[in-house]
Amino acid sequence: DTAVSQTPKYLVTQMGNDKSIKCEQNLGHDTMYWYKQDSKKFLKIMFSYNNKELIINETVPNRFSPKSPDKAHLNLHINSLELGDSAVYFCASSQRGGQVAGEQYFGPGTRLTVT
Amino acid sequence: QKEVEQDPGPLSVPEGAIVSLNCTYSNSAFQYFMWYRQYSRKGPELLMYTYSSGNKEDGRFTAQVDKSSKYISLFIRDSQPSDSATYLCAMIRSSLPNAGGTSYGKLTFGQGTILTVHP
Repeated sequence: DTAVSQTPKYLVTQMGNDKSIKCEQNLGHDTMYWYKQDSKKFLKIMFSYNNKELIINETVPNRFSPKSPDKAHLNLHINSLELGDSAVYFCASSQRGGQVAGEQYFGPGTRLTVT
Repeated sequence: QKEVEQDPGPLSVPEGAIVSLNCTYSNSAFQYFMWYRQYSRKGPELLMYTYSSGNKEDGRFTAQVDKSSKYISLFIRDSQPSDSATYLCAMIRSSLPNAGGTSYGKLTFGQGTILTVHP
């Protein structure tokens, strides 16, 4: 029983294409996040949603658009992919009313390679 | 300058050694401090979190926070090969659901230290 799942696990695509990554959590959490981990393992938050409402939107190109159809799902759509978008993208979730907002549960990651 | 600095290593130790991992930070607004462990090709998992300055122990792991120096540490006693992973420190300004505004839930990570424990 997977807690936070992402699809696809691997994504290889060419520059200029549009792609989506899907995320689902079955933990009953109400807050979900997207993180980007670069080749040096540096993990940086991109977006977070609470009950389908965007609450964190870091300085991310507007080619990236998150979408939360319900509180168990958070998808990431990327337009006009660039070489610099190559990274591992992690979805995470947490419970807003939980004791520690930093107690986030991460998915397995989606490894995106743009050629 | 990054808000959170962490030596990426790599760090290689023999089994049974005591491992010390450290992070420094520049923003005194950080209130909660976490250590995540990330195995190769996996997502990070929360190992420990602390709030106040001082020590917190959990089995072989001890987390230490010194807010006056803006310095946090993770110690691993009797290290095992299964401890081989990347260890990421992370910090957050506020944990309160009704506080923090747009910074609520915003984890700021260090770069991660790659640890290898060899038998």
